[in-house]
Amino acid sequence: QKEVEQNSGPLSVPEGAIASLNCTYSDRVSQSFFWYRQYSGKSPELIMSIYSNGDKEDGRFTAQLNKASQYVSLLIRDSQPSDSATYLCAVNLMNRDDKIIFGKGTRLHILP
Amino acid sequence: NAGVTQTPKFRILKIGQSMTLQCTQDMNHNYMYWYRQDPGMGLKLIYYSVGAGITDKGEVPNGYNVSRSTTEDFPLRLELAAPSQTSVYFCASTDPQGLFETQYFGPGTRLLVL
Repeated sequence: QKEVEQNSGPLSVPEGAIASLNCTYSDRVSQSFFWYRQYSGKSPELIMSIYSNGDKEDGRFTAQLNKASQYVSLLIRDSQPSDSATYLCAVNLMNRDDKIIFGKGTRLHILP
Repeated sequence: NAGVTQTPKFRILKIGQSMTLQCTQDMNHNYMYWYRQDPGMGLKLIYYSVGAGITDKGEVPNGYNVSRSTTEDFPLRLELAAPSQTSVYFCASTDPQGLFETQYFGPGTRLLVL
């Protein structure tokens, strides 16, 4: 299993619908999980961070963490065309000297 | 605050040439990082620093060197450029919450090695 794995997409979602982005990771004892958004040709920007099992909500974004299943997801409600971007999952892997590893990213396309 | 700034924005190098990618942050962050991002890929950590005078290797350090003489600056040096180093390079810094916590990225440097 790759250390941080994401479906590369593209994921196409109609405007106003819920976009669901998924990420799995290999290290069972990882503690910190991040979602970054990256527009084409731009630098990544942090959307959400999550450290505990369960849901964390911030506006239209909800991060969900399940450490037992080694799975973290990002839900975007009421998707807007401006949400079209690549979403990078990042995990602080304890078995890699506590370094952060990024997934390859999922391209999200919101259909107007 | 300007945040994290990087220069140059774009550079073309010939094989074997050297260059330094500059990175400066004005947020008084102790932690700074260099990543590279190849097309369609995620970010790979090259080097990082936990404070002035302290640097450490990331995932892909070969072919690069760094220094950290001040809190603000974290330059990345390519000594003998190779086509495999064609990439977009991002510098980032972290606020005092801790290592690898919320990272603030610079705008990136696009490097083409021919």
